[in-house]
Amino acid sequence: DAKTTQPNSMESNEEEPVHLPCNHSTISGTDYIHWYRQLPSQGPEYVIHGLTSNVNNRMASLAIAEDRKSSTLILHRATLRDAAVYYCILIWRAQGGSEKLVFGKGTKLTVNP
Amino acid sequence: DAGITQSPRHKVTETGTPVTLRCHQTENHRYMYWYRQDPGHGLRLIHYSYGVKDTDKGEVSDGYSVSRSKTEDFLLTLESATSSQTSVYFCAISEPRGWYNEQFFGPGTRLTVL
Repeated sequence: DAKTTQPNSMESNEEEPVHLPCNHSTISGTDYIHWYRQLPSQGPEYVIHGLTSNVNNRMASLAIAEDRKSSTLILHRATLRDAAVYYCILIWRAQGGSEKLVFGKGTKLTVNP
Repeated sequence: DAGITQSPRHKVTETGTPVTLRCHQTENHRYMYWYRQDPGHGLRLIHYSYGVKDTDKGEVSDGYSVSRSKTEDFLLTLESATSSQTSVYFCAISEPRGWYNEQFFGPGTRLTVL
């Protein structure tokens, strides 16, 4: 079972910031917080990840609570292309270095023009 | 897209027939995965591979088998397809990015079992 909780859906307007929350109260010390998104009719794609500190990349920012029991994916200026299902996933390193992604239902983001 | 292709992209078959889906990658990645996705759900891991002839089960492996005789190909077989296996199947590879791995997904195969 997925160890994260996300709202089923969220809505935003184009060019406005979007904050997508994720709760992971049972996170362990070795779990990384990853975000993937799935555009319509496509496979998921990596967005960002972090362990303890806030992270920024060209796609988004990730804010991680001090106790690591929650995190927020931030899209600074939503575009229509950002309409997707966003998955918050905890990843641990299995033996041999592989990782297994456990997807929940994610948050469906609708971006209004 | 990390050089991942899936074939076929669409297939309709009948209950009880065998079906094999192919995932092909061109960049010599060690780790490969098969997921299925059903309406209103996230992806669920079926099987994964950590090298040639090295495979292991995921959370929904019943009714599926896999093989990996070459690095570039990871085959998913439904020995006797059932209607409950109607789904979209995604293959993925894991690419090292320094101190973490990033998974790249193929375009998916839509399978309908009548």
